[in-house]
Amino acid sequence: GIQVEQSPPDLILQEGANSTLRCNFSDSVNNLQWFHQNPWGQLINLFYIPSGTKQNGRLSATTVATERYSLLYISSSQTTDSGVYFCAVGTGRRALTFGSGTRLQVQP
Amino acid sequence: DAGVIQSPRHEVTEMGQEVTLRCKPISGHNSLFWYRQTMMRGLELLIYFNNNVPIDDSGMPEDRFSAKMPNASFSTLKIQPSEPRDSAVYFCASRRTTGNTIYFGEGSWLTVV
Repeated sequence: GIQVEQSPPDLILQEGANSTLRCNFSDSVNNLQWFHQNPWGQLINLFYIPSGTKQNGRLSATTVATERYSLLYISSSQTTDSGVYFCAVGTGRRALTFGSGTRLQVQP
Repeated sequence: DAGVIQSPRHEVTEMGQEVTLRCKPISGHNSLFWYRQTMMRGLELLIYFNNNVPIDDSGMPEDRFSAKMPNASFSTLKIQPSEPRDSAVYFCASRRTTGNTIYFGEGSWLTVV
């Protein structure tokens, strides 16, 4: 099956700092989503981005499908950004395969 | 629209007991997924239904686990008999026919003692 690797595994930031999270995947995909799991365990959709670039407020994502990676940018981080960020990929109409996540802690 | 609804939110049960987790997908969604999250294994797919038919159950750990989807608005995941290693958060998710985004419920937190 598809392998998904996320880096870094852990990240500690001061409030206001910027960060870049990376997702590498082992095969061609036509579905890629970024999720945020908040401290209460909820998995929230951030982006559906199998290719190209999208922005939503302080967050943006870029996927370079031909090179099999995706990046999630967080600018001006806030304490509410803390949690685990997951990249998940899939092909066709199959279920998504999740990476192991990046645990982000934003300190005030 | 209401989101994916799971019940119970929390359950503590004794080893050997039967556990039934329930899921109501978002109305109009025809794909339903059960995932399990543990510290050791992360988020892993258990089973995936499309139009109420199981498409991929390769992630179901063993015969103690079974899942059904009797209609488009309801699915169950059953563990019988439960074991302490089944302790995890079980997530249900759904996706609509023409969409790609998967939406998750809030999870069922299972503890088997």
